[in-house]
Amino acid sequence: GIQVEQSPPDLILQEGANSTLRCNFSDSVNNLQWFHQNPWGQLINLFYIPSGTKQNGRLSATTVATERYSLLYISSSQTTDSGVYFCAVERGADGLTFGKGTHLIIQP
Amino acid sequence: KAGVTQTPRYLIKTRGQQVTLSCSPISGHRSVSWYQQTPGQGLQFLFEYFSETQRNKGNFPGRFSGRQFSNSRSEMNVSTLELGDSALYLCASSLRYEQYFGPGTRLTVT
Repeated sequence: GIQVEQSPPDLILQEGANSTLRCNFSDSVNNLQWFHQNPWGQLINLFYIPSGTKQNGRLSATTVATERYSLLYISSSQTTDSGVYFCAVERGADGLTFGKGTHLIIQP
Repeated sequence: KAGVTQTPRYLIKTRGQQVTLSCSPISGHRSVSWYQQTPGQGLQFLFEYFSETQRNKGNFPGRFSGRQFSNSRSEMNVSTLELGDSALYLCASSLRYEQYFGPGTRLTVT
């Protein structure tokens, strides 16, 4: 099946810093989503981005489908940004395949 | 629009028992998928239902099953529970590709 690798696995930053999270995938996909999992386990949709660039406030994402990677940018980090960020991809109707996530800690 | 809802939110069962979890999708969404999240294996796809038919299934034993009703609500069942089935079970609904997740059911098997 398709492989998804996220980096870095862990990231500790000071409030106000910027960060870039990376997602590499092994095959062409028709769906790529970024999620933030809150402490209660809920997966919150950040972006649906199988290709191109999108922005939502302090967050933006870029997917280069031909090179099989996606980047999530977080600017001016806040403590509420802490948590686990997942990249998930889908090929056809095979269900989402998730990466292992990036555990982000923003310190005040 | 109301989001995806899952019931119950928490459940404690004993080995050997069976359990049924319920998921109500976003209104108008006909596809419902189920995922299992454990610390060791991460998030894994269980199965997907569309218009009451299982469209795809992940690599899980036959003890894991599901169904979808005509109103798109879905249930998943796990029979003969094992300790390793302790996990967060997440349901997602979609209109086409983008999936929206519910809050999950946290199952503990003792």
